[in-house]
Amino acid sequence: DAGVTQSPTHLIKTRGQQVTLRCSPKSGHDTVSWYQQALGQGPQFIFQYYEEEERQRGNFPDRFSGHQFPNYSSELNVNALLLGDSALYLCASSFNNEQFFGPGTRLTVL
Amino acid sequence: QKEVEQNSGPLSVPEGAIASLNCTYSDRGSQSFFWYRQYSGKSPELIMSIYSNGDKEDGRFTAQLNKASQYVSLLIRDSQPSDSATYLCAVVDSWGKFQFGAGTQVVVTP
Repeated sequence: DAGVTQSPTHLIKTRGQQVTLRCSPKSGHDTVSWYQQALGQGPQFIFQYYEEEERQRGNFPDRFSGHQFPNYSSELNVNALLLGDSALYLCASSFNNEQFFGPGTRLTVL
Repeated sequence: QKEVEQNSGPLSVPEGAIASLNCTYSDRGSQSFFWYRQYSGKSPELIMSIYSNGDKEDGRFTAQLNKASQYVSLLIRDSQPSDSATYLCAVVDSWGKFQFGAGTQVVVTP
């Protein structure tokens, strides 16, 4: 049984560019959440998707958007990248409240 | 005031001793509490969940919850060098959002 998977593993972009990160949830999980984790900090909640709808959103600007597909997989899109967007982006899938994280995508913005 | 607070550490623990980690939260309506372990460069891994006041034991780990004091803790008995990691406290607030603390770094010394 595969756990949560994310792609790509690493990504380097320049300021102003756009990026799309992908996540496949653990089998049987219908809810996907995205987090941003800066070095030395805890994960910061970006948003959560359930039944293809954004259910919850954290304090992130509209440059951060997402999507959930009928197979529960999800994408995180970030537009107009800033240097401060450099971080580890984590996807977590859940069923009955317990969240399990994928390996993350390390985004570097130059 | 941060919603979830943890001592950043590092907490230095001799091998075989008990490591005691503390976490306080601000949202009195929070109902679900989790401890995650995060090794350097890796994603968080779920260790324990606790929902009711009192203690919950799982192997060498014991989680303790006191909702009246808005306090949750994690004890690691018989600490091993492999327990050296950052431990993240997560709280599901009354809006259903996961809020993470910044984490406590634990260093187990042989």
